[in-house]
Amino acid sequence: RKEVEQDPGPFNVPEGATVAFNCTYSNSASQSFFWYRQDCRKEPKLLMSVYSSGNEDGRFTAQLNRASQYISLLIRDSKLSDSATYLCVVNTGTASKLTFGTGTRLQVTL
Amino acid sequence: EAQVTQNPRYLITVTGKKLTVTCSQNMNHEYMSWYRQDPGLGLRQIYYSMNVEVTDKGDVPEGYKVSRKEKRNFPLILESPSPNQTSLYFCASSFLAGATDTQYFGPGTRLTVL
Repeated sequence: RKEVEQDPGPFNVPEGATVAFNCTYSNSASQSFFWYRQDCRKEPKLLMSVYSSGNEDGRFTAQLNRASQYISLLIRDSKLSDSATYLCVVNTGTASKLTFGTGTRLQVTL
Repeated sequence: EAQVTQNPRYLITVTGKKLTVTCSQNMNHEYMSWYRQDPGLGLRQIYYSMNVEVTDKGDVPEGYKVSRKEKRNFPLILESPSPNQTSLYFCASSFLAGATDTQYFGPGTRLTVL
């Protein structure tokens, strides 16, 4: 089993739609969770950290389910500019090690 | 402007010809790391450095070397590149040790080894 798994997509959604991505992780000792966004051929950039109680940033909501070992990202009212690959990132047991999922590609269309 | 820079951005080389990819950050970050990104495999960590003169292997260190003589610089060295090292490489830095802090990535270096 991979340490961090994501559905690669692509998710094709119309503008204004709500879309959700899940990511599962295998190390129950993981403590830090993030979503990064990567535009085509560009560097990843932090979208948001994921906290135990869940957190929201505008149209984006991140949730953590420790019991089932998954995190989720919900995007409401999708914009064309949300089209990108979303990377799930988890620390896999050590303070210095981050493991990246392979990413979920989102394409928002008119 | 706070940033991580990498050079070169694009490189085509031949098998066995030593090369260095430079990485520099101007944010006084302690932690720096190198990743490679390949289709279907995601970003995989090559090496990381917790501070000056402190480096350690990541998940895929074979065929690579690094050094951290100054806080701002973390070059990646391929002593004898092979075609399986053709990839997109990213340098990243963070203020604290990687797993708890925002990673700032450089723009990437696309390497092709013929």
